[in-house]
Amino acid sequence: AQSVTQPDIHITVSEGASLELRCNYSYGATPYLFWYVQSPGQGLQLLLKYFSGDTLVQGIKGFEAEFKRSQSSFNLRKPSVHWSDAAEYFCAVGALVGGTSYGKLTFGQGTILTVHP
Amino acid sequence: NAGVTQTPKFRVLKTGQSMTLLCAQDMNHEYMYWYRQDPGMGLRLIHYSVGEGTTAKGEVPDGYNVSRLKKQNFLLGLESAAPSQTSVYFCASSYGGSAGRYHGYTFGSGTRLTVV
Repeated sequence: AQSVTQPDIHITVSEGASLELRCNYSYGATPYLFWYVQSPGQGLQLLLKYFSGDTLVQGIKGFEAEFKRSQSSFNLRKPSVHWSDAAEYFCAVGALVGGTSYGKLTFGQGTILTVHP
Repeated sequence: NAGVTQTPKFRVLKTGQSMTLLCAQDMNHEYMYWYRQDPGMGLRLIHYSVGEGTTAKGEVPDGYNVSRLKKQNFLLGLESAAPSQTSVYFCASSYGGSAGRYHGYTFGSGTRLTVV
């Protein structure tokens, strides 16, 4: 079964600083990888996804992520963090279930980002 | 385009009471899901549905039932609420098959349930 690990429960950065959130996955085949963001009191919003092809993917709000098969990682990055980026971030892996066409997402435990002015 | 709508947004129940959470989507998605979110535990899948009239158990199905009588609606029921079911519940939907895997899920804004 697939699994996702986000090693950092809570990260604090200063506004304008760069950001990297870590995500490691476990899955036997080529994974489908996602990053979601959840603002306080809101649902999850899709930031970006990796399906195939170019291993560096661009998302909304200036975020990018790099798929590294050799490290089983899909880390999220942003060059300069804004105060509005404070939120909880979830990495997820999508995989087939039971040989059917159903694709199930498994989520990591989340990383809370705090941004200091 | 409303996307995924959950009702109610907040609810307080007494132990032993029952209630139904409603999820409605207007994107003609084939698949729908119910998750619960608890601090430090991420999102855990309760039940899911791959089409009208079909449902299946996820990781944490005990104490919950679901129904998908119409393609656009997915109901989550608690027959006898317990304090352990205090949580934030999220509904999500997606396309079926490879399109679903490619596009990921669309989430509702959640229902915050407290059982006292």
